[in-house]
Amino acid sequence: SFELTQPPSVSVSPGQTAGITCSGDALPKQYAYWYQQKPGQAPVLVIYKDTERPSGIPERFSGSTSGTTVTLTISGVQAEDEADYYCQSADSSGTYVFGAGTKVTVL
Amino acid sequence: QVQLVQSGAEVKKPGASVTVSCETSGYAFTSSDINWVRQAPGQGLEWMGWMSPDSDNRGYAQKFQGRVSMTRNNSISTAYMELRSLTAEDTAVYFCATPGDSPFDHWGQGTLVTVSS
Repeated sequence: SFELTQPPSVSVSPGQTAGITCSGDALPKQYAYWYQQKPGQAPVLVIYKDTERPSGIPERFSGSTSGTTVTLTISGVQAEDEADYYCQSADSSGTYVFGAGTKVTVL
Repeated sequence: QVQLVQSGAEVKKPGASVTVSCETSGYAFTSSDINWVRQAPGQGLEWMGWMSPDSDNRGYAQKFQGRVSMTRNNSISTAYMELRSLTAEDTAVYFCATPGDSPFDHWGQGTLVTVSS
């Protein structure tokens, strides 16, 4: 299997932009997905197939990719965006992997 | 709308087994994979395995092979995950999830399994 590496934490002031990276050798060949999880709740999909945003997810959430790194960007961060964010992908055998998660703190 | 409703919290002794159920509605259960994910207290998400719609195909994370079984009853749109030989390290919230835009698009509410002597 393979690993996905995320920073443990990101801090950002309201209205600023937060970027969360996720690195893994398989990412050039496999799609990445991003999930938001708030305490006591199930995760919610916020980005799929590297850059696509599901219906109902605010436009301030966007995804990008460059080589072995994908990035979730939250533009104009709001207090409600404070949560844990996980990237997820798969290897060629169909094994799914999650990154360790990034805690986003809104200052 | 898509709903996944899981069974209630469980407390088990070390060495025991636990079965978590996931009752679904609002989508074509018989055409969709089911995934299981767990989350230990204060920790991240950990994929456990998946099952195909017809139950003919399953894939378990290496860490759980030999100790986990995933089954489903398509007639009642319900999936099950059994984990055996429990230890304290298996204390976690267990989630079922189904694909849509992603492999984990819709999630159950989670089931807390506590392993304690």
